[in-house]
Amino acid sequence: GESVGLHLPTLSVQEGDNSIINCAYSNSASDYFIWYKQESGKGPQFIIDIRSNMDKRQGQRVTVLLNKTVKHLSLQIAATQPGDSAVYFCAESHPRDSNYQLIWGAGTKLIIKP
Amino acid sequence: ETGVTQSPTHLIKTRGQQVTLRCSSQSGHNTVSWYQQALGQGPQFIFQYYREEENGRGNFPPRFSGLQFPNYSSELNVNALELDDSALYLCASSRGNQPQHFGDGTRLSIL
Repeated sequence: GESVGLHLPTLSVQEGDNSIINCAYSNSASDYFIWYKQESGKGPQFIIDIRSNMDKRQGQRVTVLLNKTVKHLSLQIAATQPGDSAVYFCAESHPRDSNYQLIWGAGTKLIIKP
Repeated sequence: ETGVTQSPTHLIKTRGQQVTLRCSSQSGHNTVSWYQQALGQGPQFIFQYYREEENGRGNFPPRFSGLQFPNYSSELNVNALELDDSALYLCASSRGNQPQHFGDGTRLSIL
């Protein structure tokens, strides 16, 4: 079936190191992918997105990589800070859903070690 | 720029009751999407509204309904509440194919 999932439910990273959060998707027809960060008690916060005609996109301290061959998405966070502690979700959308309905994975909890 | 605001922040209801949740979209956004997020899980798409019409629906029964108003704000109504309806309800607004921006949600507890 269609699903977006994450390889690791929890990721612990030393402050200052780089973090890599991975995501697998199963529908090769998906054409839009997006990462959100959700802190405790808050709604998801947009981080970065990428469309299927690209394989890399960079933002401030974040990079998203898309590998359509193996249907894999990753979020890289440079120089991880305590404020990066949160649950990170990837989500996908299919072109048949002209309303850009998002299908979400289960999330990865990022823990920053001092 | 005003972000997405949702009300109330918390709500407690009993089985069989009805509830209305409200959402004000971010300035400049004309599309509103509603999601249900169970504890420890990713959000599940309920439906989306554009130009005051439902513009797509997820796998939710008809007792979940909604409205969008001319100012693009929106309501989510749930009838005949069940215990499994306990969740965080998230509203997101957007414009065109731009990313959806979320409010902080309404935490609904069913007793």
